[in-house]
Amino acid sequence: QVQVMEFGGDVVQPGGSLRLSCVTSGFTFGDYNMHWVRQSPGKGLQWVSFLRWDGREESYADSLKGRVTVSRDNSQNTLYLHMYNLRPEDTAVYFCARDGGDKTYSFDSWGQGTLVTVSS
Amino acid sequence: QSALTQPASVSGSPRQSITISCTGTSRDVGAYRLVSWYQQHPRKAPKLIISEDRKRPSGVSNRFSGSKSGNTAYLTVSGLQAEDEADYYCCSYAGSDTWVFGTGTKLTVL
Repeated sequence: QVQVMEFGGDVVQPGGSLRLSCVTSGFTFGDYNMHWVRQSPGKGLQWVSFLRWDGREESYADSLKGRVTVSRDNSQNTLYLHMYNLRPEDTAVYFCARDGGDKTYSFDSWGQGTLVTVSS
Repeated sequence: QSALTQPASVSGSPRQSITISCTGTSRDVGAYRLVSWYQQHPRKAPKLIISEDRKRPSGVSNRFSGSKSGNTAYLTVSGLQAEDEADYYCCSYAGSDTWVFGTGTKLTVL
């Protein structure tokens, strides 16, 4: 079955950097577009980033542009989120989600998330 | 990329029906047939329950249905059950490979 698991969450000081990983199994990773979505404590969901199946198109939420970069390694079935110049408001659980495909533009499989805490 | 507007909370008794609204703009909800809905229980990952405005993924109960009128999408849950108590989020494609979520609605089953 489809499995998505995020790793790399940590406590980071303001201005610091972090790389999150999303390891997948149970489907042909290289055939699917992927996303990152985050959820601040007690708050709602916020779409963060999109990466096309071949890694050649990417997009970001305006609030994170210039401070995050998404990448993937299709040979390792893994998606990454590189985060820079972190701010306290970036504190959140970061979810990796598979795009539903077939032009559904939805998120059909999610990991359990990894917690990033930005604090001095 | 302003969040779509949802009511903060809705409630209903078992076996009743409730509807959650999701209001966006002509640049997102009203522009595409690409609103999806997600159910999230406490401390769990979100689960897709509706895609493309009204399509139910395999395995999702037919008590969940989606619709849309203009810039507002709706999720209806019929025959409420205790297990439906959760947070619900809408999400719309907003063009140029961007997406926007709703503010979220807490459903309480009385």
